[in-house]
Amino acid sequence: DSGVTQTPKHLITATGQRVTLRCSPRSGDLSVYWYQQSLDQGLQFLIQYYNGEERAKGNILERFSAQQFPDLHSELNLSSLELGDSALYFCASSVAGYTDTQYFGPGTRLTVL
Amino acid sequence: AQTVTQSQPEMSVQEAETVTLSCTYDTSESDYYLFWYKQPPSRQMILVIRQEAYKQQNATENRFSVNFQKAAKSFSLKISDSQLGDAAMYFCAYRSAETGGTSYGKLTFGQGTILTVHP
Repeated sequence: DSGVTQTPKHLITATGQRVTLRCSPRSGDLSVYWYQQSLDQGLQFLIQYYNGEERAKGNILERFSAQQFPDLHSELNLSSLELGDSALYFCASSVAGYTDTQYFGPGTRLTVL
Repeated sequence: AQTVTQSQPEMSVQEAETVTLSCTYDTSESDYYLFWYKQPPSRQMILVIRQEAYKQQNATENRFSVNFQKAAKSFSLKISDSQLGDAAMYFCAYRSAETGGTSYGKLTFGQGTILTVHP
């Protein structure tokens, strides 16, 4: 157990819908990262937050957005869902920034029908 | 942009034997970190080992060790005395150690190598 929690574990929804994935970092960690794992794209970095502020952005679609709240939990919002958004979404956390090891949560499996 | 390549889609090993997984990367940076993560069937991403590029000594964690060749941009993982529980997908990952820029904090992953352990 890495100490990073993600809810829900599984999510099944329809095209065009909107979903929210939630992540709670390890106690004491200030940075949260979101990654997407799909069969065709592999593991890809989406976005990073540090202490409530966006720090780095990867190949995140405009339909996707994220935020980190004052209690340091983070949410990833996915809207206008398409079949191709079906993937495993991971949250990771680290103490601070670039020197720290990232620890991953168990992931949320999103299926878009 | 940095890239990470794992040229072995699948590898297999007999229990108690040794296996080496390959990884190469491309970067123009001089300071960075390299990682091996393991993803078992549960899909959890588990850190196996970490290497700082400024350290010449190869990292070791129990049965896991790396061969880090900075000039060749190679970072292989050796698993000794393989166990059934080592069966998983293994990912090599790169992370910049340079502050600033849009890639700050980002992990770049290879495509993964599926390791099968035969009893």
